[in-house]
Amino acid sequence: NAGVMQNPRHLVRRRGQEARLRCSPMKGHSHVYWYRQLPEEGLKFMVYLQKENIIDESGMPKERFSAEFPKEGPSILRIQQVVRGDSAAYFCASSHDRGGDEKLFFGSGTQLSVL
Amino acid sequence: GEDVEQSLFLSVREGDSSVINCTYTDSSSTYLYWYKQEPGAGLQLLTYIFSNMDMKQDQRLTVLLNKKDKHLSLRIADTQTGDSAIYFCAVTGGGNKLTFGTGTQLKVEL
Repeated sequence: NAGVMQNPRHLVRRRGQEARLRCSPMKGHSHVYWYRQLPEEGLKFMVYLQKENIIDESGMPKERFSAEFPKEGPSILRIQQVVRGDSAAYFCASSHDRGGDEKLFFGSGTQLSVL
Repeated sequence: GEDVEQSLFLSVREGDSSVINCTYTDSSSTYLYWYKQEPGAGLQLLTYIFSNMDMKQDQRLTVLLNKKDKHLSLRIADTQTGDSAIYFCAVTGGGNKLTFGTGTQLKVEL
């Protein structure tokens, strides 16, 4: 039973380009969460999605960032016109249900470097 | 919003016990977690405790929860070099939006 899969592991972009980060949740999980870890900081919540729905995007920057979790395929975190401050590790987590007491399982993250 | 704080560094000798501390502000937190992050890797869930418990033991790991003081600790017995990593405390209220501490860098010396 594969865990949460994220790709790519490392992504290098120049300023102004677009970054697309993918996350495939664990089998049977329909809830996906994206977190961002800036250098030497803890993880900060960005967005929580269920299939085809954004449930909570209170941690997402208002501009340039978007997320989706289509009916088929992985969840995508998209960053348009990247800037150096977007350089961070982006982690995806999934859970089976929402419930408040469901454990989250994290992927290995995507390290985004903006040149 | 929720605030979770941890000390940044802890250094112990191999074989000693390590105690990593965490304080939080939201008394409605239902589940409290400890995650381990090794260099270049994702987060590994180590253990968790439900808010109506005071203590949970899992092999070398002991979690203590003081709800009155909003204090959580992780004790690692017989610390090994393989335990060197960053340890994150995380808490959740309703739903699964975790709030993480800044992490404690544990260094195990021979």
